[in-house]
Amino acid sequence: AQSVTQLGSHVSVSEGALVLLRCNYSSSVPPYLFWYVQYPNQGLQLLLKYTTGATLVKGINGFEAEFKKSETSFHLTKPSAHMSDAAEYFCAVSGKENQGGKLIFGQGTELSVKP
Amino acid sequence: DAGVTQSPTHLIKTRGQQVTLRCSPKSGHDTVSWYQQALGQGPQFIFQYYEEEERQRGNFPDRFSGHQFPNYSSELNVNALLLGDSALYLCASSLQGVHGYTFGSGTRLTVV
Repeated sequence: AQSVTQLGSHVSVSEGALVLLRCNYSSSVPPYLFWYVQYPNQGLQLLLKYTTGATLVKGINGFEAEFKKSETSFHLTKPSAHMSDAAEYFCAVSGKENQGGKLIFGQGTELSVKP
Repeated sequence: DAGVTQSPTHLIKTRGQQVTLRCSPKSGHDTVSWYQQALGQGPQFIFQYYEEEERQRGNFPDRFSGHQFPNYSSELNVNALLLGDSALYLCASSLQGVHGYTFGSGTRLTVV
C-alpha cells in the first residue's frame, strides 16, 4: 500500500524567502515520487519527478526536491519565492512495479507569497 | 501540439441525473486515467483505460463507469448523481509503461 502525507495545509512566505513544502510517503515497493502545482481553476502541472538515479531532482521554475529513503521524505524547496509561486502544491507517489499506473496524492499544501 | 482536452469545462446537474464527461489525450498517448478532486482535497484515482479496457480501478462505486474509444479518447459516466459527486474531474493521459502524465484542466461538476 502507498500513501502520502503533506505536512501543513497552508504555508506562507515572504517574497524572496526560502520555500519548503514537506512530503512524507509510505510505500511497500520502490517509489516514484512527483510534485505537481495547481493554479486556481486549472489542472495539474508537473514540477519534477524522481524515478531512479540522482536523489536531488531539479524541476521547473527553480524548484528542486531530494529523495531521502531513510526518512521516507521528498520535500520540495525553492531558494527564493516569487509572487507567481502562489498556488496549491501536491506530492504524489506511484510504484515502480506499476509503471504508468495510478498516482496517490497528498492532501495538498497551499502556498501564499507575501510582498 | 495539443495537450489533454476535457469537455465541458463546467456542468451543473441535479441529484439522480446522469452525466458524461469527455477527454481527448495528448497526441502520442494511449492511456487515459480519471481522477476526482473534491474541494480542498488531493485528486483521487477513479480508473485507467488502455486498449479500450479498464486496467485499474480505485475505490469508487459502480455508478462510475468509463469507456475508451479506438482513437484513445475517453468518457467518464456517472449515474444516479449524489451531492457528494460535486468535484473537479481531471483526465490524465500517458503512454503505457512510461511514467509521464499530462493532465487536462478538468471539468467542474456541481450537483444540486
